Amino acid sequence: AIQMTQSPSSLSASVGDRVTITCRASQDIRSDLGWYQQKPGKAPKVLIYAASSLQSGVPSRFSGSGSGTDFTLTISSLQPEDFATYYCLQDYKYPRTFGQGTKVEIQ
Amino acid sequence: QVQLQESGPGLVKPSQTLSLTCTVSGGSISSGGYYWSWIRQHPGKGLEWIGYIYYSGSTYYNPSLQSRVTISVDTSKNQFSLKLSSVTAADTAVYYCATYKPGDLGNWFDPWGQGTLVTVSS
Repeated sequence: AIQMTQSPSSLSASVGDRVTITCRASQDIRSDLGWYQQKPGKAPKVLIYAASSLQSGVPSRFSGSGSGTDFTLTISSLQPEDFATYYCLQDYKYPRTFGQGTKVEIQ
Repeated sequence: QVQLQESGPGLVKPSQTLSLTCTVSGGSISSGGYYWSWIRQHPGKGLEWIGYIYYSGSTYYNPSLQSRVTISVDTSKNQFSLKLSSVTAADTAVYYCATYKPGDLGNWFDPWGQGTLVTVSS
């Protein structure tokens, strides 16, 4: 199975900060990567698909980049509602695999 | 718009079979173009893809669970189901159903059900 490794596992940031989360795949997954946001007690929500495409309705402060094995999720100006856990997901090969998550906490 | 709702027992005894159903509303499960999925999350942990099914019956399972998993679809009830046999405490998790949308421009899981906690305990 393709392993997805996120870094950092957690981070503390302030409102207005620029936040970057990285995800590395154990093999080339082209651009078959999505980013999901999960708040406590809620189901995940898709933010980005195909590495860099913004899902409809998602604020433009979220952006994704990368291809191959290295990917990045950037939040340009962190808002109070963005404090959550973020997961990357590869859907290039079976089984679909998620990263371990990055928890974004209030500093 | 499509909405999903999981249902099933919240407590299952070890060695028994976990059975969950996902009811789809706002759209037809047999309309095509989507894969009907199950994903789980162990308490305080990350997400694990269990598998999914196309309305025609084609299934794709996570090899780590394949020997114990069955996903089926009931188009007449607009539902799909998960059965996981021989459960242990390690199968205690929140189980989500979700729609997987493959497309030329990209793929994603959306929408998701709210999730249901299943505890394996005697």
